[in-house]
Amino acid sequence: AQSVTQLDSHVSVSEGTPVLLRCNYSSSYSPSLFWYVQHPNKGLQLLLKYTSAATLVKGINGFEAEFKKSETSFHLTKPSAHMSDAAEYFCVVTLLPPGAGSYQLTFGKGTKLSVIP
Amino acid sequence: GAVVSQHPSWVICKSGTSVKIECRSLDFQATTMFWYRQFPKQSLMLMATSNEGSKATYEQGVEKDKFLINHASLTLSTLTVTSAHPEDSSFYICSAREGQGAIQPQHFGDGTRLSIL
Repeated sequence: AQSVTQLDSHVSVSEGTPVLLRCNYSSSYSPSLFWYVQHPNKGLQLLLKYTSAATLVKGINGFEAEFKKSETSFHLTKPSAHMSDAAEYFCVVTLLPPGAGSYQLTFGKGTKLSVIP
Repeated sequence: GAVVSQHPSWVICKSGTSVKIECRSLDFQATTMFWYRQFPKQSLMLMATSNEGSKATYEQGVEKDKFLINHASLTLSTLTVTSAHPEDSSFYICSAREGQGAIQPQHFGDGTRLSIL
């Protein structure tokens, strides 16, 4: 079975300070992992993806994430938060259910990021 | 990048009305599209997986006669909420994926907010 755990439901940072959004996963095989961002009343936008190449993945808007197999983690970071980063962030792992014809995404419960001016 | 267009963005209608939501991949062909439902302050719940030219695969607990899915072409999938009632009010999001592999990310539409009076 596969699962994704986002350790914080809400993270609050000051503008200009680092961002850390934590994600742990469990998977019976090498996973593909993604981070998506959702702004209010919008769909999800892909930030970055890990697909068994480099363990440090760089995404859009200055975000990056590091895949650590030993810790089963895929934490999202950004050196300096901007007001526009305030949104909901989802850590996602792919899943191929038994008998299914295609891969599905398993979503974490989300972390709401607030940025304080 | 890959763009998914979802229309309409917001629907308000009377109880008993049927509502159709369209999901289009604008610059790529999507053999598989997904329909999600999102309740306030919660993660996305997969409703069904739609493959072009075949019947959709519904998740457990999702009424296929209530939520009709059609995927007639490689760029268009529709979700029809039949005889909608207030409990169907929610945020519906579609996604589309290029290819079949786990490493291929899903690209999301901006969602449709459905409000049933």
